[in-house]
Amino acid sequence: DVKVTQSSRYLVKRTGEKVFLECVQDMDHENMFWYRQDPGLGLRLIYFSYDVKMKEKGDIPEGYSVSREKKERFSLILESASTNQTSMYLCASKGTGFLVDTQYFGPGTRLTVL
Amino acid sequence: AQTVTQSQPEMSVQEAETVTLSCTYDTSESDYYLFWYKQPPSRQMILVIRQEAYKQQNATENRFSVNFQKAAKSFSLKISDSQLGDAAMYFCAYRRRDNTDKLIFGTGTRLQVFP
Repeated sequence: DVKVTQSSRYLVKRTGEKVFLECVQDMDHENMFWYRQDPGLGLRLIYFSYDVKMKEKGDIPEGYSVSREKKERFSLILESASTNQTSMYLCASKGTGFLVDTQYFGPGTRLTVL
Repeated sequence: AQTVTQSQPEMSVQEAETVTLSCTYDTSESDYYLFWYKQPPSRQMILVIRQEAYKQQNATENRFSVNFQKAAKSFSLKISDSQLGDAAMYFCAYRRRDNTDKLIFGTGTRLQVFP
């Protein structure tokens, strides 16, 4: 079974802090994704990566950056956290190839910025 | 731009009964994928069912089935013989058939199951 893990289930940070959210997958997937989930808005894509050191902006990249130095690890960085970044953050991974089109999600990190 | 709409914020069903969750989408593409994901209170999103747009046959996975109406751009999920463990948020999602792998999600429907 695919396993996607995230470094923390709950995180509390202060405004202006630099925040790192880490995601690790164990299935050698090429593609990895970061979403944020807010009530009434569903999931929105922040960034995704289709290979090591490659990244693409999603629909709401402002205020975020990402890093993918190794294939299994995809980090989301909040350079200077703000209260409007309080949210649930979900990581996902996906392989490539014929008939491989399912994203597998991690358990999520609930981030609160005070 | 593609959009996905789930017009039912909340639904409820009695155990063992059947419930249908609605989803509509907007796209100018002819080939794409559609998904239903389930997010239980533990928060891990899991895939329930997927549908390829070029396939006319509706997808089925045990008690879960879809009613895919391509012309109407409708993709509803039917849960038969509902169980307490079906209680969750359900998200409908769309993906173009290209190499971006980007999913576009609806806003979700919270399903409650009563004994």
